[in-house]
Amino acid sequence: QKEVEQNSGPLSVPEGAIASLNCTYSDRGSQSFFWYRQYSGKSPELIMFIYSNGDKEDGRFTAQLNKASQYVSLLIRDSQPSDSATYLCAVNPFGSNAGNMLTFGGGTRLMVKP
Amino acid sequence: EPEVTQTPSHQVTQMGQEVILRCVPISNHLYFYWYRQILGQKVEFLVSFYNNEISEKSEIFDDQFSVERPDGSNFTLKIRSTKLEDSAMYFCASQGRGGLNSPLHFGNGTRLTVT
Repeated sequence: QKEVEQNSGPLSVPEGAIASLNCTYSDRGSQSFFWYRQYSGKSPELIMFIYSNGDKEDGRFTAQLNKASQYVSLLIRDSQPSDSATYLCAVNPFGSNAGNMLTFGGGTRLMVKP
Repeated sequence: EPEVTQTPSHQVTQMGQEVILRCVPISNHLYFYWYRQILGQKVEFLVSFYNNEISEKSEIFDDQFSVERPDGSNFTLKIRSTKLEDSAMYFCASQGRGGLNSPLHFGNGTRLTVT
């Protein structure tokens, strides 16, 4: 059973702070990793994706991947109240023969307080 | 920016009835997906579709479910003889030519309520 685990939160940070969201996955052969943001009642919205070990930065967001530790994280700098949402970690398992049959974590609810 | 569109946004049906959820993927995309999210639970993969056939399906996607791309633009999910536990948000997604690891683009979802 391929699992993706996240702390459900809520993670509460003050406006302007760095929010750190973490995710672990069980399938060592996983190839690609995605962070989605989901507002209540809405669809997942892609924030970032990462394939290689190390850091990947995009604006206020940095994804970090450590395949040896089977760990992926998302840092949000200068957090804004509008960043308040549930952040979903999703993993593409090794061996899928076409496309993205993503395995999602349960999400971490982030609350950014003004 | 191109979008994946889903209709209806909310569907209420009685247990035992058949429903068809509709999706229009982004026009030049090649891979199509259905995911579902039961209220308060994880987003779960149902099925992927490529080159006019199912390429992967999960354990959830049993004989009660079927998918079709009837006219080259629409992508539908049919649920036969609906059960109470089929109540969920159903998300359609599509993926373009950027490779098998390129990101999915999700539609806004159809909330299915089975009474």
